[in-house]
Amino acid sequence: DVKVTQSSRYLVKRTGEKVFLECVQDMDHENMFWYRQDPGLGLRLIYFSYDVKMKEKGDIPEGYSVSREKKERFSLILESASTNQTSMYLCASSWDTYEQYFGPGTRLTVT
Amino acid sequence: ELKVEQNPLFLSMQEGKNYTIYCNYSTTSDRLYWYRQDPGKSLESLFVLLSNGAVKQEGRLMASLDTKARLSTLHITAAVHDLSATYFCAVRGDMRFGAGTRLTVKP
Repeated sequence: DVKVTQSSRYLVKRTGEKVFLECVQDMDHENMFWYRQDPGLGLRLIYFSYDVKMKEKGDIPEGYSVSREKKERFSLILESASTNQTSMYLCASSWDTYEQYFGPGTRLTVT
Repeated sequence: ELKVEQNPLFLSMQEGKNYTIYCNYSTTSDRLYWYRQDPGKSLESLFVLLSNGAVKQEGRLMASLDTKARLSTLHITAAVHDLSATYFCAVRGDMRFGAGTRLTVKP
């Protein structure tokens, strides 16, 4: 079974802190994605990566950056957390254009 | 920019009834995905539709794809409570998702 794990299920941070969200997949998938999910807005794509050291902006990249130094790991970085970044963050991976496999999510609260 | 629209966003059904969820998308794509999300859980894949005219069925759910109309449907037959969840469609490209349809099946 494909496994996508995220470093934390729940996280509480203060405004202005630098926040790291980590995602690891164990199926050698090329593609990895970060989404945020908010009520009524569905999933919005923040960044994605098709290969190591490659990254592409999604629909809402402002305030975020990413890092993919190894194929299995894709990190989302909030450079200076703000309250409007309080959300559920979902990581996903896929092979080529096949379906995505999602991690359990990280519920981030910024106070 | 690819846009994906689902409707309805909320759906309350009686057990035993049939209904259809619609997913429209704005640019050409030959691949469409349906996912299910239970409350408090992450998303899991239901169907991958690979070509025009593709139809897939699993239990009481059937998904179809019309690439010319840029439309996919998820049909629910004789709904049961266990189908209560939020259903998302997503389109190949950079995997843009619809807003989701929250389905509640009542006895």
